[in-house]
Amino acid sequence: AQKITQTQPGMFVQEKEAVTLDCTYDTSDQSYGLFWYKQPSSGEMIFLIYQGSYDEQNATEGRYSLNFQKARKSANLVISASQLGDSAMYFCAMREGQGSARQLTFGSGTQLTVLP
Amino acid sequence: DGGITQSPKYLFRKEGQNVTLSCEQNLNHDAMYWYRQDPGQGLRLIYYSQIVNDFQKGDIAEGYSVSREKKESFPLTVTSAQKNPTAFYLCASSIDWGGVQETQYFGPGTRLLVL
Repeated sequence: AQKITQTQPGMFVQEKEAVTLDCTYDTSDQSYGLFWYKQPSSGEMIFLIYQGSYDEQNATEGRYSLNFQKARKSANLVISASQLGDSAMYFCAMREGQGSARQLTFGSGTQLTVLP
Repeated sequence: DGGITQSPKYLFRKEGQNVTLSCEQNLNHDAMYWYRQDPGQGLRLIYYSQIVNDFQKGDIAEGYSVSREKKESFPLTVTSAQKNPTAFYLCASSIDWGGVQETQYFGPGTRLLVL
């Protein structure tokens, strides 16, 4: 079973509008962390925002916020006031608390295009 | 400025050849990672290292090897045993205090192409 599922291969949004990128996850751990990364066409992965499984508040970082619904196992990224520079691939990732591995498990990504 | 550097940006490999990708960080991070990204897909972990002279296999370690002789450096060798090496390779590092909130920071990547 996929641990991280991103069901939107591509999304379009008009400049200055808000957009939500979906992410659902699967884990039996009680302690886990959820991350969003942005990958522009240059290739580098840029960390955007983090949400911990025990965090009661939704994370926010500037124009980015994370809509965390623990019971539904979803961690959607909301980008407000989209800008042309937001056009990129966006990846949701999870780190689970059990075990010694330190890896992040990534989804397949969503390609966001911001239209002028 | 602190960061992660990867070189080269593009690398070409001939059949049967081993090639080495460089990854250096000056963030004073203990943990380093290598990921592979295929077109239209997410990242998959090849190897990671939490301390000098120690490293662990990730999900797709076959055909790859690594070394960690210095804290700052974690080179990846793509051996001739890796039959499908064409991909984008990303190196990352993190502090490694063990918490789930530990953020991994990535380098700019190396694109490997087979001639």
